[in-house]
Amino acid sequence: SYDLTQPPSVSVSPGQTANITCSGDKLGDKYSCWYQRKPGQSPVLVIYVDTKRPSGIPERFSGSNSGNTATLTISGTQAIDEADYYCQAWDSSTVVFGGGTRLTVL
Amino acid sequence: QVQLQESGPGLVKPSQTLSLTCTVSGGSISTGGYYWSWMRQHPGKGLEWIGYIYDSGSTYYSPSLESRVSISVDTSKNQFSLNMNSVTAADTAVYYCALRSGTYYDGFDYWGQGTLVTVSS
Repeated sequence: SYDLTQPPSVSVSPGQTANITCSGDKLGDKYSCWYQRKPGQSPVLVIYVDTKRPSGIPERFSGSNSGNTATLTISGTQAIDEADYYCQAWDSSTVVFGGGTRLTVL
Repeated sequence: QVQLQESGPGLVKPSQTLSLTCTVSGGSISTGGYYWSWMRQHPGKGLEWIGYIYDSGSTYYSPSLESRVSISVDTSKNQFSLNMNSVTAADTAVYYCALRSGTYYDGFDYWGQGTLVTVSS
């Protein structure tokens, strides 16, 4: 089975840049998505096809994917960005999620 | 704007079958190219994909769950359903229905609010 690995936690100061990584074998050959999930809420798609933002997602969210690693970057991180973030990719016809990263803004 | 709403028992006994329904509003369950999916999240854990149904009948399941899971569509009610048999405490989780509409290529752009299912006697 295909696995995606994320760091359990990332901390960032307000206004700084947060980078959350997602690693998988030849992940750069696939498209990656990222979801934000806040406590008590459903996941929200924040990045698709590696780099694109859905309508309504702030410009401070960006993504990249190359080699074995996809990265979600949040520039000028705000307190409201504190949440769990999950990467996701398709492996053939199956859906794979990373284990999630808790972003703490302190 | 598509909206999804999960419904079903919040408590299921071990060895029994978990049955959940996702009611779709603002869109048709029969729309071609839509992937209607079930995900879950165990307490304190990450998201897990369970399976999806598309083109009103084709299905794909997580290899780790496919022996116990089935997903079906009821076009007359604009709903799709999840059945999971032989449940154990390890199936206690928040269950989400979700949709990959294709608007954002292969991302899941619509999610239900989630429903907590506890497996306990």
